[in-house]
Amino acid sequence: DQQVKQNSPSLSVQEGRISILNCDYTNSMFDYFLWYKKYPAEGPTFLISISSIKDKNEDGRFTVFLNKSAKHLSLHIVPSQPGDSAVYFCAASGQGAQKLVFGQGTRLTINP
Amino acid sequence: SQTIHQWPATLVQPVGSPLSLECTVEGTSNPNLYWYRQAAGRGLQLLFYSVGIGQISSEVPQNLSASRPQDRQFILSSKKLLLSDSGFYLCAWTHLTNTEAFFGQGTRLTVV
Repeated sequence: DQQVKQNSPSLSVQEGRISILNCDYTNSMFDYFLWYKKYPAEGPTFLISISSIKDKNEDGRFTVFLNKSAKHLSLHIVPSQPGDSAVYFCAASGQGAQKLVFGQGTRLTINP
Repeated sequence: SQTIHQWPATLVQPVGSPLSLECTVEGTSNPNLYWYRQAAGRGLQLLFYSVGIGQISSEVPQNLSASRPQDRQFILSSKKLLLSDSGFYLCAWTHLTNTEAFFGQGTRLTVV
């Protein structure tokens, strides 16, 4: 049972434009959500997170939006840069839970 | 500052051979520790997590086992590797009160 889903395995965006990465979840007990970025042959690095008490969190070029009623979150990257090309994972955790559940990842390619 | 070390970076092992991957965390105490696997073209699958010495929770029944002999040491093992054990293995840790996970650099395991 895939509790966190990233339905787009890949996304291609032109440099300077907005990249929007989407993630859906099924477990209503999840209350903390994170986005990670991963380069090949490296461990994921934390990008940005959001608590379920918020619907938006912004950090520089990265903004995460949370729609609890739709059980959907998205990551916006503006403007997109070539160095943003990587695989992006969303992850979720529930109250008192001691583990993160990850989505399948979306490969983002920024074209010059 | 906290650091996480994982080794080896790459490993090629024959089918039926044993496995031992080690992960250590520095600069913190009582971390939650995790082993994830990223199979080719797939997301991050949680294999094991530990909230303390000798305490191991298994998420997926499989050919692998984990142990935590010391507070900041987490070991992933197998007595006999299968071809399906090939993948990219990642160790991670979190604070007890913070869900954000920090990952090691990963081990690329190829079973031949």
